[in-house]
Amino acid sequence: DTEVTQTPKHLVMGMTNKKSLKCEQHMGHRAMYWYKQKAKKPPELMFVYSYEKLSINESVPSRFSPECPNSSLLNLHLHALQPEDSALYLCASSQGVRGSGNTIYFGEGSWLTVV
Amino acid sequence: DAKTTQPNSMESNEEEPVHLPCNHSTISGTDYIHWYRQLPSQGPEYVIHGLTSNVNNRMASLAIAEDRKSSTLILHRATLRDAAVYYCMPSGGSNYKLTFGKGTLLTVNP
Repeated sequence: DTEVTQTPKHLVMGMTNKKSLKCEQHMGHRAMYWYKQKAKKPPELMFVYSYEKLSINESVPSRFSPECPNSSLLNLHLHALQPEDSALYLCASSQGVRGSGNTIYFGEGSWLTVV
Repeated sequence: DAKTTQPNSMESNEEEPVHLPCNHSTISGTDYIHWYRQLPSQGPEYVIHGLTSNVNNRMASLAIAEDRKSSTLILHRATLRDAAVYYCMPSGGSNYKLTFGKGTLLTVNP
């Protein structure tokens, strides 16, 4: 069983809605990630937080806004999304970021549909 | 970022061994090689990782070439539950963004 918990598992939202995806881990990991995955494609990195600070933003549109309230929680705030943003959003965590040998632990993902 | 090359797909029969290859010729000297797999409708899960020596765990074995430019994930007896997309990923300086390659879709026939 994964030790990274994501909620909700499924989300349907309109293009004018504001919603959030939530992620939690209690493994003491100091790095947390958001990935986006479209059907039949590999996960694509969106954001990386290291020690609760944003360290990597892969040129993600501002309609996606990450937040790391503490070392165990990671949120992704969604606003004014487009239908093409519909995808599986994966949260992950690891002990560190740049050190070799860091294993990434993924959640089950949140399936997002924008209508 | 380190680039990886894997076959798009492979097929195996249940109970038979499977060897999944990966080329990672641009890997840095201190990068580990991680393997993950993603079952349908689930998030990726860790399988195994290694640096230079071959590694074994309860899920699989990892054979790393002496020059470290390639590795092979070995499933000793494939089961239907092993049907998944398998990703190899160097982790460390050459791939600090932990970028996934395209992976190999493994089909296991009963």
